[in-house]
Amino acid sequence: DAMVIQNPRYQVTQFGKPVTLSCSQTLNHNVMYWYQQKSSQAPKLLFHYYDKDFNNEADTPDNFQSRRPNTSFCFLDIRSPGLGDAAMYLCATSRDRGAETQYFGPGTRLLVL
Amino acid sequence: EDQVTQSPEALRLQEGESSSLNCSYTVSGLRGLFWYRQDPGKGPEFLFTLYSAGEEKEKERLKATLTKKESFLHITAPKPEDSATYLCAVQAGSSGSARQLTFGSGTQLTVLP
Repeated sequence: DAMVIQNPRYQVTQFGKPVTLSCSQTLNHNVMYWYQQKSSQAPKLLFHYYDKDFNNEADTPDNFQSRRPNTSFCFLDIRSPGLGDAAMYLCATSRDRGAETQYFGPGTRLLVL
Repeated sequence: EDQVTQSPEALRLQEGESSSLNCSYTVSGLRGLFWYRQDPGKGPEFLFTLYSAGEEKEKERLKATLTKKESFLHITAPKPEDSATYLCAVQAGSSGSARQLTFGSGTQLTVLP
């Protein structure tokens, strides 16, 4: 089945230690998104890629970076995680821009010690 | 600024007791309204996309409807396995632009056996 896959499902890191979260998709979608979701809150968009074109949200901290080496993979890098960065990180994809349904992966739960 | 408000925040139903969840929105140029189901510790699972007022979509015990100001998710004869948080999201903006989803805060549904 075509899907969005995230690894790892759980990630524990130390305060200030860089961490990378991974997302892959078999849907061959052009757009990939990264969301942050804290407990009992709505998902918050961090950035998205339309093909290789990177689009950062205005309020996304510089501490968060992303890479998309090819159509299938996208990475979220947190350069110096703080305690406030502990959250569920969701990857999503859509076929194209515009009013396209976004399909989400299972998420990676990040814990910062 | 696009706004999405979901009500109620939490809803407890007895198995078989039908009800509706509400999603009211204020956007400039609605492109699409999306319903997702989210189980604890998992990513949102896509349910429906609605594009224009008067549109209705059904899937098993769920039916989504859309007006110019709000959407309803009707749950008919719910079962305990329908327990989850239901998220509503809207996408607005000009044609062709990759606009983010604006999520509501969700309705946490509990169906008691």
